[in-house]
Amino acid sequence: DVQMTQSPYSLAASPGESVSINCKASKSISKYLAWYQQKPGKTNRLLIYDGSTLQSGIPSRFSGSRSGTDFTLTIRGLEPEDFGLYYCQQHNEHPFTFGAGTKLELK
Amino acid sequence: EVQLVESGGGLVQPGRSMKLSCAASGFTFSNYAMAWVRQAPTRGLEWVATITYDTDNTYYRDSVQGRFTISRDNDRSILYLQINSLRSEDTATYYCTREAVHYGMLLRGVLDAWGPGVSVTVSS
Repeated sequence: DVQMTQSPYSLAASPGESVSINCKASKSISKYLAWYQQKPGKTNRLLIYDGSTLQSGIPSRFSGSRSGTDFTLTIRGLEPEDFGLYYCQQHNEHPFTFGAGTKLELK
Repeated sequence: EVQLVESGGGLVQPGRSMKLSCAASGFTFSNYAMAWVRQAPTRGLEWVATITYDTDNTYYRDSVQGRFTISRDNDRSILYLQINSLRSEDTATYYCTREAVHYGMLLRGVLDAWGPGVSVTVSS
């Protein structure tokens, strides 16, 4: 199985700041990485797939990038609604595997 | 509006069976592959199983292969997960999810719609 190593475990930031969350695959997954947001009381939300393709309806302050097996989710200009849990997931091969999650908290 | 609503969870004893359902609405269910993802308490997300739009193919994670069966009723827009020989490690919230389609292309493993989840607790 492809192991996804996500970092940091948690992150504190203020509205308006920019943050980055990282995810490293244990082997090549080409560009096939997705990012999801999880918040209490809301259904999980797909943010980005194929490493850098923004899902329809997702604000442009979210972006994804890739360098080999390293992937980054960047949020520029944090809004209050952006605080929550973020997960990466490889969608290159079964079994699809997720990172352990990053908790983005309000500083 | 796309909606996925799970049901059928609860408290069950180890070794027993349970069948989860997911009622889909707001989209043409028969056009999409569907998947179950679970999340154990205070743990991360774990993909469980996928079924293609036409039921021709199913995929499972190793730890549930042979115990779980994913199925669907395209006429009624319902996704199912039959869970047999339940173990304590199956305790989790189970999410019904939809695999994305973009301009007619199936985006395998990209989960663009999620239900709120249903809780399954395996305990004696």
